Amino acid sequence: SQQGEEDPQALSIQEGENATMNCSYKTSINNLQWYRQNSGRGLVHLILIRSNEREKHSGRLRVTLDTSKKSSSLLITASRAADTASYFCATDLTNTGNQFYFGTGTSLTVIP
Amino acid sequence: ETGVTQSPTHLIKTRGQQVTLRCSSQSGHNTVSWYQQALGQGPQFIFQYYREEENGRGNFPPRFSGLQFPNYSSELNVNALELDDSALYLCASSFTTSTDTQYFGPGTRLTVL
Repeated sequence: SQQGEEDPQALSIQEGENATMNCSYKTSINNLQWYRQNSGRGLVHLILIRSNEREKHSGRLRVTLDTSKKSSSLLITASRAADTASYFCATDLTNTGNQFYFGTGTSLTVIP
Repeated sequence: ETGVTQSPTHLIKTRGQQVTLRCSSQSGHNTVSWYQQALGQGPQFIFQYYREEENGRGNFPPRFSGLQFPNYSSELNVNALELDDSALYLCASSFTTSTDTQYFGPGTRLTVL
């Protein structure tokens, strides 16, 4: 079963606009990560935020984490056509330590 | 490029058959995890191997088994294939079991007819 749920399931925006994706999870976590997947191939790690952090930036990416609401958001600023991909959040549960649980993903389309 | 490779890229099998998928991790990565990703879904954790021993397992039946070798390669074996086993199979490697970032291979697309 999936630990996380991304929202929305699909998002279509114009190049240059910002894209926001949300992730909700069910149980306590050690950290939360965001991955990108192009065309059903391998996943690429984007950014990690630990349970004691609230916000993190990496280039055009901004991630927030609200452990009280068990939710996270990924913001991609000034989107490009190359950002078109599926985005997944993954959680590392505190009681497993070594198992990563992925959400259902958000499919992002950036229109040139 | 993550330095993690998988073979074959695509595979077609018949229900009831057995299949072996292979993964080559980055040098120095002692941990490999395998995931199953059905179409339109997120990856689901199958199991993890650390220094050639199973180190955690998701909700998959025993007909899913694995091996990890000292040369940073690993295998996923699936016996008695079922139609629902059709999926993208991903391996991911990391330095240790507690390392946060996993490096994924490109995956093997398995189709069971």
